Amino acid sequence: SQKIEQNSEALNIQEGKTATLTCNYTNYSPAYLQWYRQDPGRGPVFLLLIRENEKEKRKERLKVTFDTTLKQSLFHITASQPADSATYLCALVGDTGRRALTFGSGTRLQVQP
Amino acid sequence: EADIYQTPRYLVIGTGKKITLECSQTMGHDKMYWYQQDPGMELHLIHYSYGVNSTEKGDLSSESTVSRIRTEHFPLTLESARPSHTSQYLCASSEWRGDAETQYFGPGTRLLVL
Repeated sequence: SQKIEQNSEALNIQEGKTATLTCNYTNYSPAYLQWYRQDPGRGPVFLLLIRENEKEKRKERLKVTFDTTLKQSLFHITASQPADSATYLCALVGDTGRRALTFGSGTRLQVQP
Repeated sequence: EADIYQTPRYLVIGTGKKITLECSQTMGHDKMYWYQQDPGMELHLIHYSYGVNSTEKGDLSSESTVSRIRTEHFPLTLESARPSHTSQYLCASSEWRGDAETQYFGPGTRLLVL
C-alpha cells in the first residue's frame, strides 16, 4: 500500500542551527513533492514544491532535496529561529484516478532560543 | 495570505443538531476539499469537488455531506451531530501551476459536540 512517513517524534534544536526533516514514501511515483507548514489550530500553508527532475530547491532559508531512487525528500531550515517552530508536512500526488494530494502526518519542529 | 474563509471558527453544539460549516474562496479555484484533523494527527480527506455540481467522497468515511452549487462556495453539513464528530475541519482549494497542484487552506472550524 502507499505510505508517506515522517518522523512522528518532535525535533528539538537550538536557535541558529540547521533543522533537517525527512519524508519517506513507498509505492508512489510522484511527479512532484510539496512541503507545507502548519501552526497549531490553523490550516497548512504551502512552502515549496520540487519536481522529480529537480534534485534541490531553495527559497530563502529553506532547502528541499528530492531523491526518487531513495524515495526520500529532505527539508532543511538554515539559521533556524523560534518563529520556525511548527509542524511541517510533506505531500505527494497519489496514483489513484483522482490524483489528489496526500499528506504525511508531519513532524513537529521546536526551535529553542 | 490565501483568500479562503471558513465560518464559524469555533462551534459547540449538542448531540443530534444539524450543522453546516461554511467555506468560501475568492480565487476562482475549481477544486475544493474538506479535511478532518484531530489535534496532533494527520489530515484525512473526507470530501472533494472538481467544480460546480461535482462532489466526491474522500478517503475517510464521513457522515457529512457537501454541495457545490457555486464555484466559490463549498459547505459541509452534518445532519445529526454526534460526539464522535468532534474534530477540526479544514477546507482547501487548489490551483494548478503547470502540471502541479498547490492547495490553499482556510483557518479551520473547530467543532465540539457535547
